[in-house]
Amino acid sequence: QKEVEQDPGPLSVPEGAIVSLNCTYSNSAFQYFMWYRQYSRKGPELLMYTYSSGNKEDGRFTAQVDKSSKYISLFIRDSQPSDSATYLCAMSADNYGQNFVFGPGTRLSVLP
Amino acid sequence: DTAVSQTPKYLVTQMGNDKSIKCEQNLGHDTMYWYKQDSKKFLKIMFSYNNKELIINETVPNRFSPKSPDKAHLNLHINSLELGDSAVYFCASSQVNSGNTIYFGEGSWLTVV
Repeated sequence: QKEVEQDPGPLSVPEGAIVSLNCTYSNSAFQYFMWYRQYSRKGPELLMYTYSSGNKEDGRFTAQVDKSSKYISLFIRDSQPSDSATYLCAMSADNYGQNFVFGPGTRLSVLP
Repeated sequence: DTAVSQTPKYLVTQMGNDKSIKCEQNLGHDTMYWYKQDSKKFLKIMFSYNNKELIINETVPNRFSPKSPDKAHLNLHINSLELGDSAVYFCASSQVNSGNTIYFGEGSWLTVV
């Protein structure tokens, strides 16, 4: 079993839809969780950062962490064509960047 | 202002050549990284460099060597390039104990022919 799993997609949704992106992981020591967005031919950019379990909201984006199920989610409300990108989850057991583990990413297309 | 910048963005070179990719960050971060993203989009860390301490991913061939002239720069040298080195290489930086979130450059697309 890979340390972090993520459905690669592609996931296509109509504009305005609610999008749910998910990652599962196997290492129960993970406590730092991030979501990155990567546009084509660009570097990943940080969207959300959460520590331990719970929810975090930022505009149209909500990150959820369920450590008991080893499952994290990113919800995008009122999705826009500009949200079309690859979304990567990342996580770590400590606060040292060299130990971050990335999922393979889910490719999302929001159709106008 | 670009926070993490790397050059060149695209590089096509022949097998056996030696090449370098340069990286600079203007965020004042104390840690810099090189990541490799393969065709399946997996991001794998190659190196991290913090206050002159180099941490190497053991799976990286020793043909790859990072060089850091100062805290704001971390260059990647690759000797004797092989076809399998074709990938996107991302430079990144972070600040320990400030959330330690990682900020990435735009990437360098390396194609070995």
